[in-house]
Amino acid sequence: GNSVTQMEGPVTLSEEAFLTINCTYTATGYPSLFWYVQYPGEGLQLLLKATKADDKGSNKGFEATYRKETTSFHLEKGSVQVSDSAVYFCALSADAMKTSYDKVIFGPGTSLSVIP
Amino acid sequence: NAGVTQTPKFQVLKTGQSMTLQCAQDMNHNSMYWYRQDPGMGLRLIYYSASEGTTDKGEVPNGYNVSRLNKREFSLRLESAAPSQTSVYFCASRKSPGLSGNTIYFGEGSWLTVV
Repeated sequence: GNSVTQMEGPVTLSEEAFLTINCTYTATGYPSLFWYVQYPGEGLQLLLKATKADDKGSNKGFEATYRKETTSFHLEKGSVQVSDSAVYFCALSADAMKTSYDKVIFGPGTSLSVIP
Repeated sequence: NAGVTQTPKFQVLKTGQSMTLQCAQDMNHNSMYWYRQDPGMGLRLIYYSASEGTTDKGEVPNGYNVSRLNKREFSLRLESAAPSQTSVYFCASRKSPGLSGNTIYFGEGSWLTVV
């Protein structure tokens, strides 16, 4: 079945450091891939997404590229800020052309703390 | 634009009590979901509803029931609460089943403690 694996952390970085959170997936066909962010005490918000191979999603300085050859969707940011402290979830949605199964699968989440 | 609204935000139950978590969305979405979030476990799907009038079990449905009351509302019921159901519950929705590019929108969460 489909699955998502991501580094669990916690990750602690100094302000302005480079961030990478790894995400790999297992899926049949051509799933869509997402990164969600959860700030303390809040629900999840979409950060970025990519719907086909080689697409790059970007938002708020974060980027991730859909790599089908390595089944990966790693999240990166060049210079993190204290306000980026949150939990980040990688997620996968089944290939619409192959199945009508309506399910989104989330990774376990990676906690990021950015210190001044 | 309210998006996905769920109530209550906080609730403490005694073991064996019942309660219903309410969820409503105002985005005219067809699909709705209930997830639970536990430390170290990430998000796990309890039940989902691909469209009005249909519901299906997710990964962890035991101890829960759901009702898709209409297109807007999707409620989650705990018939006899157990301490293992202490968790944060999230309701979510998206436009249509099968269109995997569509974004899922989440409510703000309901913190449930069963003592």
